[in-house]
Amino acid sequence: QKEVEQDPGPLSVPEGAIVSLNCTYSNSAFQYFMWYRQYSRKGPELLMYTYSSGNKEDGRFTAQVDKSSKYISLFIRDSQPSDSATYLCAMRSSNDYKLSFGAGTTVTVRA
Amino acid sequence: SAVISQKPSRDICQRGTSLTIQCQVDSQVTMMFWYRQQPGQSLTLIATANQGSEATYESGFVIDKFPISRPNLTFSTLTVSNMSPEDSSIYLCSAMEGASGNTIYFGEGSWLTVV
Repeated sequence: QKEVEQDPGPLSVPEGAIVSLNCTYSNSAFQYFMWYRQYSRKGPELLMYTYSSGNKEDGRFTAQVDKSSKYISLFIRDSQPSDSATYLCAMRSSNDYKLSFGAGTTVTVRA
Repeated sequence: SAVISQKPSRDICQRGTSLTIQCQVDSQVTMMFWYRQQPGQSLTLIATANQGSEATYESGFVIDKFPISRPNLTFSTLTVSNMSPEDSSIYLCSAMEGASGNTIYFGEGSWLTVV
């Protein structure tokens, strides 16, 4: 079993829809959670990070963490064609800076 | 946020040769890492580049194959040695700002194809 499992997608949504991305993890030592966006042929771009259970908002993005269920989500509101990319969840424990990544979900927002 | 530049951005390499990838960060960072992203797959940590000392390698990666240097707080190199087609991959330099460990940034990647 992989440490981090991410819904594989791909997802295709119309412009303006809410995009929901999810990851589960098995390692209870993971305490810090990040979401990265990766455009085709580019490096990953840090979107958000959080370390508390609950929600964190940043503009159109909301990161949600449920440590009791070992489940994290990223929601993108009012999605735009420019949001079309692969989204990667990543996480680490409190005593290690090594990131464990999900496999990524490719999202296409149709104009 | 830290801006990370990698060179080369892409290369086609002959089997059996070695290639060194350079990573330059525009500010001093606490930690630097090297990741590999194989085609269609997610990122895997190769090693943590330690300033002035030997890198710390993850399971499955060895110094003879992936020698790493980090002479100062803003620069690191990764060499992929004796390349085979299985080494065709994207190699990503990563850097951590501050001490929180939450702001970890990536370069654009070096896309290597081994023929």
